[in-house]
Amino acid sequence: GAGVSQSPSNKVTEKGKDVELRCDPISGHTALYWYRQRLGQGLEFLIYFQGNSAPDKSGLPSDRFSAERTGESVSTLTIQRTQQEDSAVYLCASRHSSGDRNEQFFGPGTRLTVL
Amino acid sequence: GDSVTQMEGPVTLSEEAFLTINCTYTATGYPSLFWYVQYPGEGLQLLLKATKADDKGSNKGFEATYRKETTSFHLEKGSVQVSDSAVYFCALSWEGGSYIPTFGRGTSLIVHP
Repeated sequence: GAGVSQSPSNKVTEKGKDVELRCDPISGHTALYWYRQRLGQGLEFLIYFQGNSAPDKSGLPSDRFSAERTGESVSTLTIQRTQQEDSAVYLCASRHSSGDRNEQFFGPGTRLTVL
Repeated sequence: GDSVTQMEGPVTLSEEAFLTINCTYTATGYPSLFWYVQYPGEGLQLLLKATKADDKGSNKGFEATYRKETTSFHLEKGSVQVSDSAVYFCALSWEGGSYIPTFGRGTSLIVHP
């Protein structure tokens, strides 16, 4: 079946503009995660959705960052008033609620460049 | 808090050489340990894992043993191939709850023919 997909694959924007990144999880996966990967760094957790529960937003770096997910489907990560420090690869992952609970399946990422 | 430390890269090897990528962790208790691999232009893929002390995870010729005495989970492969060139991430997470892993910084592996 299809894996996790993300769009766009690359996004170049000007400082101060808003951007919206999209993630399509694997069908049936109730958990969805967003991470940020800066050049040469590990993955930085941003936000976690589990079913219809309130999301865990503890990793969002500022109030310019927000994310939404409707039910167990698509999620969007929005960055308002982008700054150069927001340049990174944004990775989405999904996980099934049963079976191998620890395994997350990652999308290919969106590379964001803020000029 | 939890942390994962990996050896800095890049690691550059010739084909058929032996590979070791060191990983140590800091955590209170015994988390599950993972190695993920990220090939160029792709997302992370789970390579192998171990959920308790002395477990050995293995996949595609790679293996790693969970050593609680040294809080380590070093990745090894006896004979690397050019196709193994990628970035390797060590991570830990806890059973139950949100399963949000703590990742190391990643180690780039470059294998030359």
